[in-house]
Amino acid sequence: NAGVTQTPKFQVLKTGQSMTLQCAQDMNHEYMSWYRQDPGMGLRLIHYSVGAGITDQGEVPNGYNVSRSTTEDFPLRLLSAAPSQTSVYFCASSYSYSSGGTYEQYFGPGTRLTVT
Amino acid sequence: AQSVTQPDIHITVSEGASLELRCNYSYGATPYLFWYVQSPGQGLQLLLKYFSGDTLVQGIKGFEAEFKMSQSSFNLRKPSVHWSDAAEYFCAVGDDTGTASKLTFGTGTRLQVTL
Repeated sequence: NAGVTQTPKFQVLKTGQSMTLQCAQDMNHEYMSWYRQDPGMGLRLIHYSVGAGITDQGEVPNGYNVSRSTTEDFPLRLLSAAPSQTSVYFCASSYSYSSGGTYEQYFGPGTRLTVT
Repeated sequence: AQSVTQPDIHITVSEGASLELRCNYSYGATPYLFWYVQSPGQGLQLLLKYFSGDTLVQGIKGFEAEFKMSQSSFNLRKPSVHWSDAAEYFCAVGDDTGTASKLTFGTGTRLQVTL
């Protein structure tokens, strides 16, 4: 298993540009989440999904959009990039309780995004 | 809403010394608790987790943590630190719905190990 994969690893955007951060998992996990990590603030939840076709907002959703058309993929879209979105972005996935999961989230390697 | 506090931003210990990293949480019921470690430029790796049962949980790399409901704490310990343990450590609590889709993280503790 490749686990959770994220592309790209690094990205530089200009203010106002849009882009999509890709996340995929091959573990057949129902749940997937996006976090951003900023110095001194830990990781904060942006959006999450409990299954294909179902998404919901986390703590810091503004400026981001998600969709989940398949179990495997959970892309994060930046609609109009702003310098405040400069961060490291992590995707994570996990089983659900109904699948007998143990609530452990598996994290991807991250995408480092700089917005100038 | 749940929250996690890691009161120590930065800790320095000598190699071979013992380690304790503090974590306090706020949660309305029995929490699901985790410790993750992040090496520089890397993703997060799970060290250990608590869901129920024995309040002393063992993890990887010789780490353990003790859940104390009366103190709302889940402190991470290691009896003898190795230089390779230098990293950032995050405590996290599971979400209210009892699933794993949402974690609330503390702000992290950066561990420096001196030789």
